[in-house]
Amino acid sequence: EIVLTQSPGTLSLSPGERATLSCRASQSVNSTDLAWYQQKPGQAPRLLISGSSSRATGIPDRFSGSGSGTDFTLTISRLEPEDFAVYYCQHYGSSPIFTFGPGTKVDFK
Amino acid sequence: QVQLVQSGAEVKKPGSSLKVSCKASGDSFSTYAISWVRQAPGQGLEWMGGIIPMFNAANYPQKFRGRVTITRDKSTSTVYLELRSLTSEDTAVYYCARVNTPGILDIWGQGTLVSVSS
Repeated sequence: EIVLTQSPGTLSLSPGERATLSCRASQSVNSTDLAWYQQKPGQAPRLLISGSSSRATGIPDRFSGSGSGTDFTLTISRLEPEDFAVYYCQHYGSSPIFTFGPGTKVDFK
Repeated sequence: QVQLVQSGAEVKKPGSSLKVSCKASGDSFSTYAISWVRQAPGQGLEWMGGIIPMFNAANYPQKFRGRVTITRDKSTSTVYLELRSLTSEDTAVYYCARVNTPGILDIWGQGTLVSVSS
């Protein structure tokens, strides 16, 4: 079973700053099977990135994903006020089919 | 554009069962798998299982096998999550989500809050 670890747990930044979020898998995974989601309080998660680096429909280009093997990164180039949220990475595998990381909270410094 | 609309909030007693619905509209119901994901208060996301409506084939992680059943009603484009033997640890928001390629959950329901309390 793949275990996903995210770091840091909380990232305190100001609007306009760059955010770098990490997701590490317990063993090497196919980069096509790694996705990122954003979740705001009281809302369902929203898909940001699929296949490690492909932005979902309507996602601004300040969001980018990269990585391979066991190490993946979500980067927000310049934080907008609406980007302060919790971010989850997710792996699509065989058993269990969907595994999520514990999340990284991006909050105001 | 497909939408997933879930049933309303519920309060349950320990030991009872829960059945939450997820109705799909706006697209071909049988084409995509539907998964259920739950989120306990202040916690992360946990996959509970999923179903391919076309084949009525469900898959569950080990943790929930025997306690969860996911079914579908093609006539109403609705997927159901049944969870039995509830405890306080089942208090959570339950989400349904559409599974798309490549292994992503691209459309989510609004969530159903379930509280388990004596």
